[in-house]
Amino acid sequence: DAKTTQPPSMDCAEGRAANLPCNHSTISGNEYVYWYRQIHSQGPQYIIHGLKNNETNEMASLIITEDRKSSTLILPHATLRDTAVYYCIVRAWMNTGFQKLVFGTGTRLLVSP
Amino acid sequence: GAVVSQHPSWVICKSGTSVKIECRSLDFQATTMFWYRQFPKQSLMLMATSNEGSKATYEQGVEKDKFLINHASLTLSTLTVTSAHPEDSSFYICSATPNQGQPQHFGDGTRLSIL
Repeated sequence: DAKTTQPPSMDCAEGRAANLPCNHSTISGNEYVYWYRQIHSQGPQYIIHGLKNNETNEMASLIITEDRKSSTLILPHATLRDTAVYYCIVRAWMNTGFQKLVFGTGTRLLVSP
Repeated sequence: GAVVSQHPSWVICKSGTSVKIECRSLDFQATTMFWYRQFPKQSLMLMATSNEGSKATYEQGVEKDKFLINHASLTLSTLTVTSAHPEDSSFYICSATPNQGQPQHFGDGTRLSIL
């Protein structure tokens, strides 16, 4: 499984964009980059995923570099409810094709008023 | 969207008790479910892969006789912590997906406290 590296913590002011980086220099050509977040004492919540192209949904945008060795999750207007641990995961393929997610330590994002 | 439900959300029991945790896919069928464990201030650690109609696949270091997994139907997997001890106290989380191409969806977890 390709490993990921994220900063342990980040701060962001409410209303500002939060840019969370992730390095995955050993990613393989058929591996996707997934982002999840975990709010305290809850299960992880899916945010977004991508392979090569930048992606955007109602929650966030995902920017993947051309060499695919790193990516950035962007929360365009962070709110207090976005305070959580954000996990960048490169999906490992199982023989059955179902996703086996390997979680790293993530980035603890603190959004302040 | 796909919903995964866990029950109970928290449980407190005495040492030596066996505890069963249920993971249900509410609006889809899941031939594969995953069980994770999370200790305080740590990340999620995959424990095992639950396969409908067959034996679970355990990660290295996870005792299969300690953590019994049963996936008897396409919407239910259970994790039984047998003869639980205080060191088994943790946050147990399951996940599932409707099909291989879609993201995993997680339950809200079960907080297990063994006294």
